[in-house]
Amino acid sequence: GENVEQHPSTLSVQEGDSAVIKCTYSDSASNYFPWYKQELGKRPQLIIDIRSNVGEKKDQRIAVTLNKTAKHFSLHITETQPEDSAVYFCAASLEGDSNYQLIWGAGTKLIIKP
Amino acid sequence: DGGITQSPKYLFRKEGQNVTLSCEQNLNHDAMYWYRQDPGQGLRLIYYSQIVNDFQKGDIAEGYSVSREKKESFPLTVTSAQKNPTAFYLCASSIARGQGYEQYFGPGTRLTVT
Repeated sequence: GENVEQHPSTLSVQEGDSAVIKCTYSDSASNYFPWYKQELGKRPQLIIDIRSNVGEKKDQRIAVTLNKTAKHFSLHITETQPEDSAVYFCAASLEGDSNYQLIWGAGTKLIIKP
Repeated sequence: DGGITQSPKYLFRKEGQNVTLSCEQNLNHDAMYWYRQDPGQGLRLIYYSQIVNDFQKGDIAEGYSVSREKKESFPLTVTSAQKNPTAFYLCASSIARGQGYEQYFGPGTRLTVT
């Protein structure tokens, strides 16, 4: 079945710098890749997603890139701010005839240093 | 912020006792999910339901049971057969089960079994 690996587990960056979180997936049939953000003590929320027919998607300071050949996708956050501190989860979906399931990465704790 | 609620926030039980975690949503979503979140691991799917009176096992269903008698409610019972029940449990819902539908998460229940 599908397996999603996420790196790094913890990332510390200076405020204003960029942060990149990477995920790899194992099943080439996966074609939907969302990113969720979980702030301390709060619930995970969708921040951006990408489908396999697109190589890159941007939304203000965040962007996601997808490399189908290498089977990896990345979250890029530019001009990081204190409110970006959170745990970020990537996921991949495997859609079949009768099955749909999000397979989640282990999460990356992003720390923004003032 | 309502939408999807879980209760209680913290739950303590003795080993050998069954315990039921509540999940309620007023988003009129058809699909509901239960996840388990452990430190250093991604979200793992316990059970999901696409529609009332229907539910399917996820990756780690052993020792758990669910019911979906009403669209709004998807309670999870952690039975004494679950070998390591201490964890953070997240309930989620989406408009439908399928690719591209954002999953809305509840605030979670932290279960401690001693």
